[in-house]
Amino acid sequence: KQEVTQIPAALSVPEGENLVLNCSFTDSAIYNLQWFRQDPGKGLTSLLLIQSSQREQTSGRLNASLDKSSGRSTLYIAASQPGDSATYLCAVRRTSGSRLTFGEGTQLTVNP
Amino acid sequence: SAVISQKPSRDICQRGTSLTIQCQVDSQVTMMFWYRQQPGQSLTLIATANQGSEATYESGFVIDKFPISRPNLTFSTLTVSNMSPEDSSIYLCSVEGGLAGGLYEQYFGPGTRLTVT
Repeated sequence: KQEVTQIPAALSVPEGENLVLNCSFTDSAIYNLQWFRQDPGKGLTSLLLIQSSQREQTSGRLNASLDKSSGRSTLYIAASQPGDSATYLCAVRRTSGSRLTFGEGTQLTVNP
Repeated sequence: SAVISQKPSRDICQRGTSLTIQCQVDSQVTMMFWYRQQPGQSLTLIATANQGSEATYESGFVIDKFPISRPNLTFSTLTVSNMSPEDSSIYLCSVEGGLAGGLYEQYFGPGTRLTVT
């Protein structure tokens, strides 16, 4: 059974700092991995989708990497801003028709 | 990408009552998903709803408690029946997009925040 772990559970940084959020999964046979952002009490916003054949994806200040063999993904946020404060969730899909397995999330606070 | 709306955005309900949550998508999709997120927790899949067939429920969720309708390819409802305080959660509707490209990217609605007193 696939398990997804996100470390740390919470992170507080000063504005402007570069930071890395970690996601690990126990079964390396994945189809894709998706990073989401969730603001308090709200739905999920898709940030980046990485296919199993890809090493990384970039969108603006965000860069997500994938190392399938080690069962790890990282989300790099450059020059963090207070507006980046949210919970970040990673989720993996085992096959093209299977459901997402979510991690518990990392709650990020960027202090002005 | 898919744009998803949900109604209501939040509600406070009394125990023993039922609430129906609506989910509308701006494009036709084969499958719609309903998730629950209890306070401080990650997402749990309740069921998958296909148009024209009965919903498929995950372990721990039953149709009598969470009946689902899927009358067409852009709309679904989830009812939370005979509510108790333990049902206080955010309920999220979700769809898969980009199937033509084989990307299987998942999109979520804004959620319905339910509080049961």
